[in-house]
Amino acid sequence: GQNIDQPTEMTATEGAIVQINCTYQTSGFNGLFWYQQHAGEAPTFLSYNVLDGLEEKGRFSSFLSRSKGYSYLLLKELQMKDSASYLCAVRDSNYQLIWGAGTKLIIKP
Amino acid sequence: ETGVTQTPRHLVMGMTNKKSLKCEQHLGHNAMYWYKQSAKKPLELMFVYSLEERVENNSVPSRFSPECPNSSHLFLHLHTLQPEDSALYLCASSQEEGAAYEQYFGPGTRLTVT
Repeated sequence: GQNIDQPTEMTATEGAIVQINCTYQTSGFNGLFWYQQHAGEAPTFLSYNVLDGLEEKGRFSSFLSRSKGYSYLLLKELQMKDSASYLCAVRDSNYQLIWGAGTKLIIKP
Repeated sequence: ETGVTQTPRHLVMGMTNKKSLKCEQHLGHNAMYWYKQSAKKPLELMFVYSLEERVENNSVPSRFSPECPNSSHLFLHLHTLQPEDSALYLCASSQEEGAAYEQYFGPGTRLTVT
């Protein structure tokens, strides 16, 4: 079966750095997405990786290793507004999106 | 504001009621999706429409009936639901279906079945 694993919940301190990991086992690979979802709001697109390596976008970076079936989302200079759930999703060989259950990130002052 | 709107935002219905969820996208996209989001579970894809044609139905019970009258509007008709159908129902759209395009989500309808 296809599976996406993410930690259920993480806690970090304002101003710090946090890394949210995502591992996947899917039938083929055609890209990996990260979305942010604040409580009661729509998921919003953060990043897309299809090649190995690091993609940087401001305070957020996303890394992919296809050989390891692994990605992480790195958030720097954490702000209180970064408290949200972070969803990892992989597009498989049939271009279906397989979603993880999300990681709830709690930022403390 | 993602360009995708959903109404109502909250809905409480009995098991014998009939109701409809509405989604509208203002992005000129060709693909639209219905997802179910339950607490601490992955998003479950329910239906996919591409250019108003249904391209996928992921074994969803017949008590959920989608309708896509045009590429900007998507409905989910609900009837004789069960309490386990209580969840957040998200609508999304993307430029095309089945390609490397990100999906834009609406804020969702929080459905409670009593």
